[in-house]
Amino acid sequence: DGGITQSPKYLFRKEGQNVTLSCEQNLNHDAMYWYRQDPGQGLRLIYYSQIVNDFQKGDIAEGYSVSREKKESFPLTVTSAQKNPTAFYLCASSPGTGVSSGANVLTFGAGSRLTVL
Amino acid sequence: KQEVTQIPAALSVPEGENLVLNCSFTDSAIYNLQWFRQDPGKGLTSLLLIQSSQREQTSGRLNASLDKSSGRSTLYIAASQPGDSATYLCAVRWWSGAGSYQLTFGKGTKLSVIP
Repeated sequence: DGGITQSPKYLFRKEGQNVTLSCEQNLNHDAMYWYRQDPGQGLRLIYYSQIVNDFQKGDIAEGYSVSREKKESFPLTVTSAQKNPTAFYLCASSPGTGVSSGANVLTFGAGSRLTVL
Repeated sequence: KQEVTQIPAALSVPEGENLVLNCSFTDSAIYNLQWFRQDPGKGLTSLLLIQSSQREQTSGRLNASLDKSSGRSTLYIAASQPGDSATYLCAVRWWSGAGSYQLTFGKGTKLSVIP
């Protein structure tokens, strides 16, 4: 079945460590996204990529980094510079980013919960 | 800047009742609006997407309407069931003016359907 796989589901990190969250999709989607979700808040965009080898900062990119070396993969690194990294991280993809019908319907992964100890 | 509001933040209804969830947005120049469902600790599942030129979309017991001029969308759930219990989020896609479209999410309405 086509979909998005995020791993790990739960991750614990000590302060000062970098961690990388994996996101893989087999939907043949061009666009991929990373969102952060905190309790009582809406989703906030960290980074997005419209095509391989290209990515753009979202609203809260500071302290995070990404790469898009393959169409299927969009890993997110939470660096030690991120002051408050404990959150639920969601990866999503869409066929494209245009506004034609269906081009930007998002499909989400199951999420990764990061806790800083 | 686009802001999306969902009221109420939480809603509890008895099983079988019809209900309406609300979503409002500040800038009516949107391209589409999408409704999602999120179960606790899970990702989001897309329910319905309404293009800006459409007034409503239906899927089973769900009906979503869009009134761009008033900046509102509603998600109607008919004959609610305990399995409908989840958080429902709406998201609007709009032109950011910086070379890309942006998607802004509301904070969601947590629905509990009591058996």
